[in-house]
Amino acid sequence: DGGITQSPKYLFRKEGQNVTLSCEQNLNHDAMYWYRQDPGQGLRLIYYSQIVNDFQKGDIAEGYSVSREKKESFPLTVTSAQKNPTAFYLCASRRTSGNYNEQFFGPGTRLTVL
Amino acid sequence: SQQGEEDPQALSIQEGENATMNCSYKTSINNLQWYRQNSGRGLVHLILIRSNEREKHSGRLRVTLDTSKKSSSLLITASRAADTASYFCATGSGQAGTALIFGKGTTLSVSS
Repeated sequence: DGGITQSPKYLFRKEGQNVTLSCEQNLNHDAMYWYRQDPGQGLRLIYYSQIVNDFQKGDIAEGYSVSREKKESFPLTVTSAQKNPTAFYLCASRRTSGNYNEQFFGPGTRLTVL
Repeated sequence: SQQGEEDPQALSIQEGENATMNCSYKTSINNLQWYRQNSGRGLVHLILIRSNEREKHSGRLRVTLDTSKKSSSLLITASRAADTASYFCATGSGQAGTALIFGKGTTLSVSS
């Protein structure tokens, strides 16, 4: 099956801890994205990567970090500097060839700070 | 920055009725896309309309785009209970690899 997987589905973090959310895709897409979704809100872009070993900050990058060492993988670390990390995190990927491409989403990770 | 604003925020209808939701955006676009999200799940792509298109159909979905008004509408005909979900519009600049910008969504409830 081709698609995007995210793990874990649920994650609990104590204050002051860093946690890493996994995102893997086997769609051979160059571009990958991380969004944050709060209740009743839309998606806000955290980071995105258009190619391996390169990534750019989105609108709300503070308190987050990413890496893109492999085409298939784009992990997101929520650091202790993120003051309000409880949210639903969505990873997506997209082809970069052509101008009319949809984004494919993973099932999401729900992070709760205890 | 959020580009799209959906209207209404919430919509409740009976099965068999049509559901219309609207999206307004602020800047020039290359394409506009609609996505669906079931509660607690990821988003699923529904339909894409290019900036030079005015209307597009896919099954029970009809999308219109008015670039002069910077607005789009999604019509779901003959709604079913299974259509209950949140619907988001997203705009694309056309630049390869850049992220889509999503609105806040419309929550649709279809009761049987």
